[in-house]
Parts: sequence; C-alpha cells; structure tokens
Amino acid sequence: QKEVEQDPGPLSVPEGAIVSLNCTYSNSAFQYFMWYRQYSRKGPELLMYTYSSGNKEDGRFTAQVDKSSKYISLFIRDSQPSDSATYLCAMKRGSTLGRLYFGRGTQLTVWP
Amino acid sequence: DVKVTQSSRYLVKRTGEKVFLECVQDMDHENMFWYRQDPGLGLRLIYFSYDVKMKEKGDIPEGYSVSREKKERFSLILESASTNQTSMYLCASSLGTGGRNEQYFGPGTRLTVT
Repeated sequence: QKEVEQDPGPLSVPEGAIVSLNCTYSNSAFQYFMWYRQYSRKGPELLMYTYSSGNKEDGRFTAQVDKSSKYISLFIRDSQPSDSATYLCAMKRGSTLGRLYFGRGTQLTVWP
Repeated sequence: DVKVTQSSRYLVKRTGEKVFLECVQDMDHENMFWYRQDPGLGLRLIYFSYDVKMKEKGDIPEGYSVSREKKERFSLILESASTNQTSMYLCASSLGTGGRNEQYFGPGTRLTVT
C-alpha cells in the first residue's frame, strides 16, 4: 500500500462547478500537507500548504486536513477553464531531510 | 524568484547509452531531488541530496546514479539506458528540511529511449 493514495480521475466538470479533490494517507507522522498544481508540459507548483489539522482558504481554493481520519481535501469554488491541470497532494514528516510523499495526482478538466 | 533549470526539454537516446540529465538551481537551496513521472504512477522519487556530495536513495534508484559536486547542480545519470527508463524526469530543490520546505520544480525533461 502506498503511503499516500489519490484517485487519478480524470475528473471533468463544467465551468462554475465546485470541485472536490481528496487524498488519504496511512502514516500518522505526516505533519505538513500540500497541494501542487501541474499544468500540461510544466513542472508542479505549490498551490496550498497546511500545517497539521484544520482549514486554509486562499481565494477560490480551500484546503482541509483531518488528521484523525488521515484525509485531506482541496475544494475549488467557481471553477474556471484555467483550473484545468493535474493536482497532486503531498505530505511531509517533521524531519526526514525534507522529503515529500506525493499522491498520484488527479487530472481535472473544467469545460466552458 | 526561484529558478530550477533542466538541461534539455526533450531527449532521445539509444538503448545502452550513458545519459546525463543536468539540473541547476539559483537560490542556494540545500536539498535537491530527482523524480520520474509516468501516467498512472505519479511522481516517484529516484534520488535526493541534502548537501554537496551527500545523496540518499529514493523509492526507485535502480538503474540510476547521481552526482552533486556543487551546491547548485544535481545530475542524474543513467549508466546504460533501457526502454523502461523512457519517462518525464523532474528535478526539484528546497531550502532546508524543517517546516514548510516548499519544493520548486524544473520544467522537466522528456526522455525517450529507443
């Protein structure tokens, strides 16, 4: 079993929809939780970052972490065609030389 | 802005060739990483380095080696390329080990081994 599980999709939604992306994990030592966005033919870029449990909001994006359930989510409100990308969740323990553990990524298409 | 550059965007090599993929970062980051990305498998860590001349194996180091002679440069070496090493290779760097420690990625090198 991978340490981080993420449904690869693909996910296709109309413009304006609310998108929910999720990951589960097995290692309770993870403390830092991130979402990266990767456009086609580009490297991933950090989108959201959360430490421990709770919610974080940035514009149309909300990241949620539930450590008791080992479950993290990314919500995108009022989705736009420009949100079409692959979204990767990533997690990190407190130390271990800065290594991140990635999910497989979910491919999202928002159609106009 | 942090910049991570990779020597080639596209590369075609023959089976058995020795292949060098170069990565350079310009922000004095301590850590550097090499991943490969394949459809359905996501990002898989090959090797990483937390200091000059220091390296650690990731999840799939077989068939690869690395070199970090200078802080800003991290090279991935395929000693004898095989067709199953056809993939997108991504390099990343990060400042340190604690806290947020965001990884910054390069644009990737699409390697085809024929």
